[in-house]
Amino acid sequence: DTEVTQTPKHLVMGMTNKKSLKCEQHMGHRAMYWYKQKAKKPPELMFVYSYEKLSINESVPSRFSPECPNSSLLNLHLHALQPEDSALYLCASSQGGWEGLNEQYFGPGTRLTVT
Amino acid sequence: SQELEQSPQSLIVQEGKNLTINCTSSKTLYGLYWYKQKYGEGLIFLMMLQKGGEEKSHEKITAKLDEKKQQSSLHITASQPSHAGIYLCGADVAGNMLTFGGGTRLMVKP
Repeated sequence: DTEVTQTPKHLVMGMTNKKSLKCEQHMGHRAMYWYKQKAKKPPELMFVYSYEKLSINESVPSRFSPECPNSSLLNLHLHALQPEDSALYLCASSQGGWEGLNEQYFGPGTRLTVT
Repeated sequence: SQELEQSPQSLIVQEGKNLTINCTSSKTLYGLYWYKQKYGEGLIFLMMLQKGGEEKSHEKITAKLDEKKQQSSLHITASQPSHAGIYLCGADVAGNMLTFGGGTRLMVKP
């Protein structure tokens, strides 16, 4: 199984809502990532979890809160977002932790619209 | 910081034609990744290159990393409509961090 799944596929939320994005992989990968991708731009790294610990936070605003409940799951909790946060949110996983960079496998993404 | 420049930004080719996409780095590349993305979807891993002069092929797609490890090319032979999408090169910045080039949008006309 080389699949990374993400739910929901689409999400529309108001600026006062609280919602969560979910990501799951069953490849035994020990590193998981959240990326944000705006239209016609490449993905930008937000967070990296390595062995279930947050290892990289790319200066992301606190209205985005990641969580890694176990080695297969990664959540992104959203609260008080702004319309400019509307984007495609991509989850990825890779085999290694800090042993070295391995190819990352991406999920299909969640299309988020903040109204 | 590492920057990756991709060229061309967009490309329209007739089905059956060959094409090349380039990815150039301002610094030595220690891991170069090629991904393909369908519009609004996730990224599909194509190939990883690490050694200077390395070349890999998968079906009709060939990727090369030059000897100096600062430039990579992706070549598609006899393009098909299924090759259409956005091609992204990504480089290992530090540890588990990937930085991406701006992408090349490919359209293949039947």
